Amino acid sequence: EAGVAQSPRYKIIEKRQSVAFWCNPISGHATLYWYQQILGQGPKLLIQFQNNGVVDDSQLPKDRFSAERLKGVDSTLKIQPAKLEDSAVYLCASSLVPTGDGNSPLHFGNGTRLTVT
Amino acid sequence: GQSLEQPSEVTAVEGAIVQINCTYQTSGFYGLSWYQQHDGGAPTFLSYNGLDGLEETGRFSSFLSRSDSYGYLLLQELQMKDSASYFCASPQGGKLIFGQGTELSVKP
Repeated sequence: EAGVAQSPRYKIIEKRQSVAFWCNPISGHATLYWYQQILGQGPKLLIQFQNNGVVDDSQLPKDRFSAERLKGVDSTLKIQPAKLEDSAVYLCASSLVPTGDGNSPLHFGNGTRLTVT
Repeated sequence: GQSLEQPSEVTAVEGAIVQINCTYQTSGFYGLSWYQQHDGGAPTFLSYNGLDGLEETGRFSSFLSRSDSYGYLLLQELQMKDSASYFCASPQGGKLIFGQGTELSVKP
């Protein structure tokens, strides 16, 4: 099966600029996640979708971050305006169902490495 | 809430056995997963323990003890390609929470 696709692979922007990331999950996976991974740390969940509805966005800085999953398939994550501390890898993942257990592990894309200067 | 603690780094030699520990504090624990992430790559699922005991998948095994709030990943017959970061993770309220990761370096 095709994996989770993300683009772009790398992005360099200046602070206060805006940026958008795109994700295409594995076909048939109802649950989609955006994680932020700062260098040397574990992935931190930003937002979780079930089909096209938001399940959890408690960790999303809503004053600058937004995400949508129109039609319950592809998703975009936007940052506007970016800050220096947003420099990180943004990982998209998908799973069949939102349990995260062995029956429905998360499948990750290769991520977008964002550098804010 | 939930937190998972792992050692930040571990070093071992090729052919050896290494154990990566994960201790957790949680309200409402369902199980423990392990993911591997090579530098610049995507995290990939290795194993899941929903019950106490040992799960074996080839050279990798994972163990869980709920009474001790503790689990580990055991890698046998280490190979250079096993050099990577390893994360324990646990479902909480339908979302997966990750530990900070253990960087494993395998030396020749």
